[in-house]
Amino acid sequence: NAGVTQTPKFQVLKTGQSMTLQCAQDMNHEYMSWYRQDPGMGLRLIHYSVGAGITDQGEVPNGYNVSRSTTEDFPLRLLSAAPSQTSVYFCASSYSRSGRSQNEQFFGPGTRLTVL
Amino acid sequence: GQQVMQIPQYQHVQEGEDFTTYCNSSTTLSNIQWYKQRPGGHPVFLIQLVKSGEVKKQKRLTFQFGEAKKNSSLHITATQTTDVGTYFCAGRNRGSTLGRLYFGRGTQLTVWP
Repeated sequence: NAGVTQTPKFQVLKTGQSMTLQCAQDMNHEYMSWYRQDPGMGLRLIHYSVGAGITDQGEVPNGYNVSRSTTEDFPLRLLSAAPSQTSVYFCASSYSRSGRSQNEQFFGPGTRLTVL
Repeated sequence: GQQVMQIPQYQHVQEGEDFTTYCNSSTTLSNIQWYKQRPGGHPVFLIQLVKSGEVKKQKRLTFQFGEAKKNSSLHITATQTTDVGTYFCAGRNRGSTLGRLYFGRGTQLTVWP
C-alpha cells in the first residue's frame, strides 16, 4: 500500500492564482481531512469528509473548497491564493466506522505552499 | 466548542533529562491519541488511550489518560537526541465515531547532546 499520497510536494503561487492540492489514499478509509500547519499554531483543520459525497468545514475553511467524489481522493482547492495561505498542508485519513478499535490518522508527506 | 490545550509549547532539555507534555480538553473525550512529528516530516501515530486512568508504556515513553478522560500526559524518561520533534495530542469527543480529531498545538522538544 502507498498509504496517503500528496502532490505536489512544493508549490509557489502568485496572489490571486488558483490551484488544487491532490490527496489520495489506498486504505479504503472513510474519513479524510486537510490540515494546515503554521509555526506555533499546530495542526488546524480546514475541511474533512466522513465518506464519498459528504464534506464539512473545520476550524479554518475560508478560502478553500473540497469535494469527495470517491473514497480514495480528497482534493483541496485554493480559489484565489493569498499570502496568508502560505503554509504546509497535510492530508490525513482514517477509518471512522464504529467498531474499529483504533482509528489513528495516517498523514501524507505534506505540500509546502508559498504565496507571493 | 471543543478545545484541546497542550503545554508547554516548547521544551529544551539536555540529553538524559526527563520530559513531560500535558494535554487538557474542555470536554470529556472518548479516546486520546498521541503523534510525533520529526523536523521536516509529517505526524506519525504513537498510541491511543481509551479507558479512564489508562497507562501505557512504549520503552522510555509513558502515556496516561486521566480518570475523568479530560486530560492526558506523555512522559519521556532519559531523553535521547532521537526524541527530538513535536509531540501532539489529539482527542475525539465522547460518543463520536465519525473520525474527527481535535489536536493540541503540540510541544516542540529540543534535546541537547
